[in-house]
Amino acid sequence: NAGVTQTPKFQVLKTGQSMTLQCAQDMNHEYMSWYRQDPGMGLRLIHYSVGAGITDQGEVPNGYNVSRSTTEDFPLRLLSAAPSQTSVYFCASSYGLTAEAFFGQGTRLTVV
Amino acid sequence: DQQVKQNSPSLSVQEGRISILNCDYTNSMFDYFLWYKKYPAEGPTFLISISSIKDKNEDGRFTVFLNKSAKHLSLHIVPSQPGDSAVYFCAAALDFGNEKLTFGTGTRLTIIP
Repeated sequence: NAGVTQTPKFQVLKTGQSMTLQCAQDMNHEYMSWYRQDPGMGLRLIHYSVGAGITDQGEVPNGYNVSRSTTEDFPLRLLSAAPSQTSVYFCASSYGLTAEAFFGQGTRLTVV
Repeated sequence: DQQVKQNSPSLSVQEGRISILNCDYTNSMFDYFLWYKKYPAEGPTFLISISSIKDKNEDGRFTVFLNKSAKHLSLHIVPSQPGDSAVYFCAAALDFGNEKLTFGTGTRLTIIP
């Protein structure tokens, strides 16, 4: 059972480039979310989805887009990368009836 | 505005003793609280949770205490083991089943053998 799988694990981007962070889960969870972790800031919610076709903004959504075409996949798109987006990104999924989230291993992104 | 605060960035405890990690929150609407544990290069993993209708929840060596009037919760680990060395995050949700979690900044726990 793979759980939540994120790719890539590491990425270096130049300022202005775009890219997509992939997230897939095989637990048939309705709820999926993206967080970023920065030193001294904990984990902050970027975007989340309560089911296929439904997404909403979290605490720090600017500069990111998401879509949810299937239950399994929830990609995060960086439209035009900026150094301020250098961070570790975590995708998570959960059942609808509990806030216990299962996290992926993370993607370490550096924007130069 | 940090709604969930962990004021101790780090904590060192001797193996076999009790570890106490603290968490404070400012939003009185938070109703459900969780603790996550994170090892380096891994995602956080769920540890234990508590609803506001309780003031204590136990799971093996881990106990979470909630003091709603003080807007304070704590995680007790007894006895502490070397494998407990990790970063611990507390998180809060507006209610059970609400998927928008607000996380604290984390406390790095080091267990000294």
